[in-house]
Amino acid sequence: DVKVTQSSRYLVKRTGEKVFLECVQDMDHENMFWYRQDPGLGLRLIYFSYDVKMKEKGDIPEGYSVSREKKERFSLILESASTNQTSMYLCASSSSGAPYNEQFFGPGTRLTVL
Amino acid sequence: AQSVTQLGSHVSVSEGALVLLRCNYSSSVPPYLFWYVQYPNQGLQLLLKYTSAATLVKGINGFEAEFKKSETSFHLTKPSAHMSDAAEYFCAVSDLHQGGKLIFGQGTELSVKP
Repeated sequence: DVKVTQSSRYLVKRTGEKVFLECVQDMDHENMFWYRQDPGLGLRLIYFSYDVKMKEKGDIPEGYSVSREKKERFSLILESASTNQTSMYLCASSSSGAPYNEQFFGPGTRLTVL
Repeated sequence: AQSVTQLGSHVSVSEGALVLLRCNYSSSVPPYLFWYVQYPNQGLQLLLKYTSAATLVKGINGFEAEFKKSETSFHLTKPSAHMSDAAEYFCAVSDLHQGGKLIFGQGTELSVKP
């Protein structure tokens, strides 16, 4: 059974803290994605990666950074968390080669910044 | 630029009634289109996808969608709603300039009344 796992389901942090969200996939996928999900806004792409050590900005990269040192792992970093980053964060992965390849999603991390 | 619009942020149907969730897309070239479902407290799961092979696409759990180029639509239907269909549904289009990247609609929350 294919799997994308995220390190935490729920996370509570304080303003100004550095926050790490981890995502691991076991499907040997080249592509990995970080989304933010907010009511009424759907999913918005923060960053994505096509290969190890490669990253591309998505639609809303401000306030975030990413790291991909190994193929199976893609980390999202909030350098200094702010209350407007309270949200649901979803990680996804897909294989490369065709633009219609399915993205597989993790269960999400609900982050609250106080 | 490509985009997706889902008409209606909330749809409510009775159990056994027809489900119709609307999605319109904007694309200058034939698109690849997707419907994903998100059950409460879970990540997204692929329902079905259009890859130009057939205009009527059948997916999991009895759902299907029809690609209509003249109407730039890809509406999702199910003949008879079940309580377990209550979830949030997302339409998405593949970004043809960046393979593998998806552009999501705002989402439609489906409620099923007994």
